[in-house]
Amino acid sequence: AQSVTQPDIHITVSEGASLELRCNYSYGATPYLFWYVQSPGQGLQLLLKYFSGDTLVQGIKGFEAEFKRSQSSFNLRKPSVHWSDAAEYFCAVGGNDYKLSFGAGTTVTVRA
Amino acid sequence: DGGITQSPKYLFRKEGQNVTLSCEQNLNHDAMYWYRQDPGQGLRLIYYSQIVNDFQKGDIAEGYSVSREKKESFPLTVTSAQKNPTAFYLCASTPGRNTGELFFGEGSRLTVL
Repeated sequence: AQSVTQPDIHITVSEGASLELRCNYSYGATPYLFWYVQSPGQGLQLLLKYFSGDTLVQGIKGFEAEFKRSQSSFNLRKPSVHWSDAAEYFCAVGGNDYKLSFGAGTTVTVRA
Repeated sequence: DGGITQSPKYLFRKEGQNVTLSCEQNLNHDAMYWYRQDPGQGLRLIYYSQIVNDFQKGDIAEGYSVSREKKESFPLTVTSAQKNPTAFYLCASTPGRNTGELFFGEGSRLTVL
């Protein structure tokens, strides 16, 4: 069975500081990995995805993520956080089918 | 603009009533999904459909039903058999296999009174 663990429920970061969100997955084959962002009361927007190739993936809004197969991880990073980055972030895993499994999410608060 | 439209955005229901949530997409995507979101639990898959007139149960299908009579439409009915229906419901679609990327609607919040 596939699953995703996001160990951090809530992270608070100062504006301009760096941000790293952790994601660990369980999947029986080569995974497809995703990070989505959700603003309150809204749907989810794709930040970035990994299918194959370069393990460092660049996304929108200045985010990047690194796939580490040996650690079953796909952590999301941003060098300098903006107040508009305050949101909930979801990691997801899937494969060569139509189903994605999502983590429980990490809420990011940005303080001035 | 292409996208996914969910309606209504907010819905209130009395216990024992069925309610249907609408999801329409004009992206010409083959596959459509319904997820349920509860605080601290992420998104859980209710039903998905890969093609018209075909759909499969997800992880939490009990108390829900769907239909896929048209490519662009995938309505979800929350029946009275669903024991805890108050939640945020998200509809999504994807072009097909091997893409993985989901495109989401803005959600419908159902509250049972």
